[in-house]
Amino acid sequence: EVQVLESGGGLVQPGGSLRLSCAASGFTFSSYDMTWVRQAPGKGLEWVSVIYGDGSNTYAESVKGRFTISRDNYKSTVDLQMDSLRVEDTAVYYCAKVGESSSFDHWGQGTLVTVSS
Amino acid sequence: IQMTQSPSSVSASVGARVTITCRASQDILVWLAWYQQKPGNAPQLLIYAASSLQSGVPSRFSGSGSGTDFTLTISSLQPEDAAIYYCQQGSTFPRTFGQGTKVEIK
Repeated sequence: EVQVLESGGGLVQPGGSLRLSCAASGFTFSSYDMTWVRQAPGKGLEWVSVIYGDGSNTYAESVKGRFTISRDNYKSTVDLQMDSLRVEDTAVYYCAKVGESSSFDHWGQGTLVTVSS
Repeated sequence: IQMTQSPSSVSASVGARVTITCRASQDILVWLAWYQQKPGNAPQLLIYAASSLQSGVPSRFSGSGSGTDFTLTISSLQPEDAAIYYCQQGSTFPRTFGQGTKVEIK
């Protein structure tokens, strides 16, 4: 059974940093891309970043230069290092496995990041 | 690529047929997925590649379309289908989602 589990959310001041982690199991982790999607309170879904099996990555313009995605294929984990956080980064952050036709086929339960003074 | 869903909300009776549309601002071939999100839960994949049913998803859900115009159909609405539905394009970066369609049960 595929499982995805995020951790690391919390309250941080504007300008601060936070590191999210995503642990995956139930599939050959190194063979799949992984992605982060966020959802601000009461809002829709916003794609954040993707990391491919070889470690290359892509970011949304809204986080480029501030967020860094990485993976450890031995531990089956994906991290999202978030620096220079802004109030507008407040959201539930979901980690998901990328499946067929670039769909996101398995999601974690999400972790809440609150950026506030 | 901008994804536009309609309607923004729909209310229908149990057993009714419900159709949600999603329009892409440019041709995305069949790089289109649909998700269901219930309050307090993560989104769940329903349809990928515009019309392929994800494993474990009830057959009353179906998807169609290609290019710029897509539809998600619930053939016989059930109480457990009350949720927000999102489309998402997987053609180009950044990946983008529609704004969501809220389905309510009358």
